[in-house]
Amino acid sequence: DTAVSQTPKYLVTQMGNDKSIKCEQNLGHDTMYWYKQDSKKFLKIMFSYNNKELIINETVPNRFSPKSPDKAHLNLHINSLELGDSAVYFCASSLRTGQGYTFGSGTRLTVV
Amino acid sequence: GQQLNQSPQSMFIQEGEDVSMNCTSSSIFNTWLWYKQDPGEGPVLLIALYKAGELTSNGRLTAQFGITRKDSFLNISASIPSDVGIYFCAGQEAGGFKTIFGAGTRLFVKA
Repeated sequence: DTAVSQTPKYLVTQMGNDKSIKCEQNLGHDTMYWYKQDSKKFLKIMFSYNNKELIINETVPNRFSPKSPDKAHLNLHINSLELGDSAVYFCASSLRTGQGYTFGSGTRLTVV
Repeated sequence: GQQLNQSPQSMFIQEGEDVSMNCTSSSIFNTWLWYKQDPGEGPVLLIALYKAGELTSNGRLTAQFGITRKDSFLNISASIPSDVGIYFCAGQEAGGFKTIFGAGTRLFVKA
C-alpha cells in the first residue's frame, strides 16, 4: 500500500498544453509539498501546504497552481507548458513541519 | 538564497570501503536530514537529526549533527553494491517550513 502516490509517473506533452499531476498520501500527515528535480538532480521546493493551507510558495511562475482539496491530497496544475518545465516533479508529505519527508516516486514531465 | 554545500560531488569506491560525505551551511539549522535516491525513485529518508551534537546510526550508516549547527556528515561503513545512488543532505531552519537540499553526492561502488 503506497504511502505517497502520484500520478501519472510519466507525462509527455506538447508546448502550450495544460496538464495536472495528482498526489495522495495515506499516512495521516498534516503537511504536503511539491518539489522539482532538474536534470542535474537538484531538488527545489515549489509549494507547501499545511492542513490545506498554503504555507510556502517559492518563486514559481503563476502558470503553476497547486490545489489541496483535503489534507491527504495535493494536486499540481500547470498551464501553458514550456520546454523548461521538463523535469521530475516529486510530491512529499511530513507528519508536521520540521519532520522528515516521505516522497512519492515522481512524475517525469517531458515537454516537446 | 540559502544554500547547502554538499561534498564530495561524486565518489567511486571499491566494495567494502568506508565512505564519508558532508554538508555545510552558512546559517544555523534546527534539523538535518539525510536521504538516498535510487534511479527512477523518490528520495528515501535515511537518518533525521534534531539536536546539535547528536550522533545517530541506522545499520551501516552513521550521521552527526554538527555542534555549530551549521554542518552534518554521513558515514557508510563496509559499502556494498546496493549503496549506489545519490545521497542528499537537507536542512531545516527553526520553524521548519522550508527544507533546503544539498546538490547530492553520487556514490558508485565497484564490486
